[in-house]
Amino acid sequence: EAGVAQSPRYKIIEKRQSVAFWCNPISGHATLYWYQQILGQGPKLLIQFQNNGVVDDSQLPKDRFSAERLKGVDSTLKIQPAKLEDSAVYLCASSFTSDGYTFGSGTRLTVV
Amino acid sequence: AQSVTQLGSHVSVSEGALVLLRCNYSSSVPPYLFWYVQYPNQGLQLLLKYTTGATLVKGINGFEAEFKKSETSFHLTKPSAHMSDAAEYFCAVSDKLGGGADGLTFGKGTHLIIQP
Repeated sequence: EAGVAQSPRYKIIEKRQSVAFWCNPISGHATLYWYQQILGQGPKLLIQFQNNGVVDDSQLPKDRFSAERLKGVDSTLKIQPAKLEDSAVYLCASSFTSDGYTFGSGTRLTVV
Repeated sequence: AQSVTQLGSHVSVSEGALVLLRCNYSSSVPPYLFWYVQYPNQGLQLLLKYTTGATLVKGINGFEAEFKKSETSFHLTKPSAHMSDAAEYFCAVSDKLGGGADGLTFGKGTHLIIQP
């Protein structure tokens, strides 16, 4: 089966600019997650969708981060405005059941 | 809230030696436990997982882990290290919070170095 697709692979922006990341999950996976992985740390959950509804966004910095999954398939994560501390790899994952998560290769964001 | 502690940010072993990566967790309910491996500039690949049943779990590439509830541990082992095992390893827990929230909480990771 095709994996979780993410784009772009790399992005460099200046602070205070905006940026968006795209994720296409595995076909049939109703649940989609966005994680932030800062260099040297484990991934941290930002938001979880079940179909097109938000299940958990308790760790999403809502003043600058937003995410949507309008048709219950693809998802977009946006940062506006970006800060230096947002430099990280943003990982998307999807699952059919709670014991089977598949991760994409991630988008590496550098904020300068 | 659940948490994961991985002892040792870096572990170095000789090729052919035993690999032991330690993971302790805290969870308010019986957890699901995972080990992932991450190679440079790549996403996370599942090595193995524990959900229910047998506490000794076998995964890919010769790795296995044992769930010990009394010790709240889920250590990862491999009898004989190979150069290709050099990577970052993450332990994670999901304890299925209410409302369907089941995102993973990760440890900080252990960088495994294989000495020739």
